[in-house]
Amino acid sequence: AQSVTQLGSHVSVSEGALVLLRCNYSSSVPPYLFWYVQYPNQGLQLLLKYTSAATLVKGINGFEAEFKKSETSFHLTKPSAHMSDAAEYFCAVSDETSGSRLTFGEGTQLTVNP
Amino acid sequence: GVTQSPTHLIKTRGQQVTLRCSSQSGHNTVSWYQQALGQGPQFIFQYYREEENGRGNFPPRFSGLQFPNDSSELNVNALELDDSALYLCASSFQGSGANVLTFGAGSRLTVL
Repeated sequence: AQSVTQLGSHVSVSEGALVLLRCNYSSSVPPYLFWYVQYPNQGLQLLLKYTSAATLVKGINGFEAEFKKSETSFHLTKPSAHMSDAAEYFCAVSDETSGSRLTFGEGTQLTVNP
Repeated sequence: GVTQSPTHLIKTRGQQVTLRCSSQSGHNTVSWYQQALGQGPQFIFQYYREEENGRGNFPPRFSGLQFPNDSSELNVNALELDDSALYLCASSFQGSGANVLTFGAGSRLTVL
């Protein structure tokens, strides 16, 4: 079975500060890893994905994440937060045999203060 | 993209509900997720070429259909209070490698 743990259900940063959202996964086979963002009253939008190529993955809106197998982590970062980054962020895991079955974490609510 | 209807609906316990989804053109797989308030989405099931080929930990009263015209349905019978949630439809192209899901905005169901 696969699982995802997102450390910190709420993260608050100042505008212009570093954003770091933590994700640890568990998988018995090589994983595919995803970060999604959800704005209020909207569906999920893909930020970036790791599918066994480069371990540093760049996504949309200036976000990036690094796959660290030894730490079973896939933390999401952005060098400088913008007010528009305020949203809920979800980390998810699947694998080669999962099809469209993603296992999501509980989510992290990001607040950006002016 | 992926469109879902209705956006909001209210039902009473014991009733039945049908939620609809139109997949992104060219996608051959549709999946449904339940997102309870304050939680991450939970996989309900997926359909590939109009057949269910994967189900999460949901009872049989959750059922679905996928049609040849890129549309699909989620049906829930005998509604319970705990079924109140945002229901997300996602479509993808199942080929080699990772399925990248495109999500709709969801249907918010309230069961009273």
